[in-house]
Amino acid sequence: KNEVEQSPQNLTAQEGEFITINCSYSVGISALHWLQQHPGGGIVSLFMLSSGKKKHGRLIATINIQEKHSSLHITASHPRDSAVYICAVRSGAQKLVFGQGTRLTINP
Amino acid sequence: GAVVSQHPSRVICKSGTSVKIECRSLDFQATTMFWYRQFPKKSLMLMATSNEGSKATYEQGVEKDKFLINHASLTLSTLTVTSAHPEDSSFYICSASRDTFTDTQYFGPGTRLTVL
Repeated sequence: KNEVEQSPQNLTAQEGEFITINCSYSVGISALHWLQQHPGGGIVSLFMLSSGKKKHGRLIATINIQEKHSSLHITASHPRDSAVYICAVRSGAQKLVFGQGTRLTINP
Repeated sequence: GAVVSQHPSRVICKSGTSVKIECRSLDFQATTMFWYRQFPKKSLMLMATSNEGSKATYEQGVEKDKFLINHASLTLSTLTVTSAHPEDSSFYICSASRDTFTDTQYFGPGTRLTVL
């Protein structure tokens, strides 16, 4: 079993829908990251959080430390949100442990 | 702020040659830089962690003589793939962090290496 599990692996939705991507982890962590990777390959760091909730534009990330679970929500989804979303956790030292990624496709 | 660049973005080389990939933090000083490798439709695999002025720490299974990492300044790290083989073809991504333990990692755009 991977230390970081994401669900779903693939998600297709219509423009405007509310999107939720989940991340569960099995280790103690100091921080959790949500990353976005577009088809060209470049990665953008969306959030780094260690507790509670963060919001940036249409994106919301939450984390429940006790349940070892985080969610990434996208409100009013748009085709440009189509990308791979990756959850990564930092456990103590510098290294990040990555989930498998969730491939999101938003159709117009 | 916190922009990381990589050069080149794409490179094609012949087997047996060496290829150098540069990773630069453009507007901040990076205490630590990370090098990742990504296979198609797979997640990132950490290859090594480098701190400025010291030797890189390689992950298990990564050949340090094949993947030479130099972090000579707080804004530049290089990865050299020596004696490249077709199986080294991959997408290589670097990231940089200002603070070793608390800062987020800022990722470069990646370099796609194809070895013929």
